[in-house]
Amino acid sequence: NAGVTQTPKFRVLKTGQSMTLLCAQDMNHEYMYWYRQDPGMGLRLIHYSVGEGTTAKGEVPDGYNVSRLKKQNFLLGLESAAPSQTSVYFCASSYVDSFSYNSPLHFGNGTRLTVT
Amino acid sequence: GIQVEQSPPDLILQEGANSTLRCNFSDSVNNLQWFHQNPWGQLINLFYIPSGTKQNGRLSATTVATERYSLLYISSSQTTDSGVYFCAVDVRGSTLGRLYFGRGTQLTVWP
Repeated sequence: NAGVTQTPKFRVLKTGQSMTLLCAQDMNHEYMYWYRQDPGMGLRLIHYSVGEGTTAKGEVPDGYNVSRLKKQNFLLGLESAAPSQTSVYFCASSYVDSFSYNSPLHFGNGTRLTVT
Repeated sequence: GIQVEQSPPDLILQEGANSTLRCNFSDSVNNLQWFHQNPWGQLINLFYIPSGTKQNGRLSATTVATERYSLLYISSSQTTDSGVYFCAVDVRGSTLGRLYFGRGTQLTVWP
């Protein structure tokens, strides 16, 4: 099993450009998440999904959109990149156990994005 | 929203020393997870521990949910333990799927 796979690993964008970050998981997890990590800030939740066809906003959703058309994929889009979106982006997935609690979170290896 | 505070923010140890990292949270939680981010940026789940104590080799964790804290113990530290340790909580009563992270403890282990 590959676990959680993110593409690309690195990307440099110019202000105003758009791009899509791809996340794929092969563990049949219901829940998927996009986090960003900035120095000294820990991980902050951008958007998440509790199942195919559903998405919800996290702590810092502005400037991002997401889609979950298939259970195994969760896409993060930047329509008009800004320097403030320079960050490391992590995708994660989990399942819901018999008590309706989150299982341990599995992370991808991250995408380092620089917006100039 | 819930506050998740980790201490200390930075910790420097010599190889072989023991350490305790703390995570305090301000609300009732369904579960708590500890993660290690290695120097290459990879995030690895260490413990899934809503309450009680768990051990995995040199690492162990204890969560006292009623007092709203969790502790991560590292014994006989090694240079490979270096990195950032995060705790994350799933708040009871909130929307399923949302985890809140602390800002982490940066651990450096010198040979």
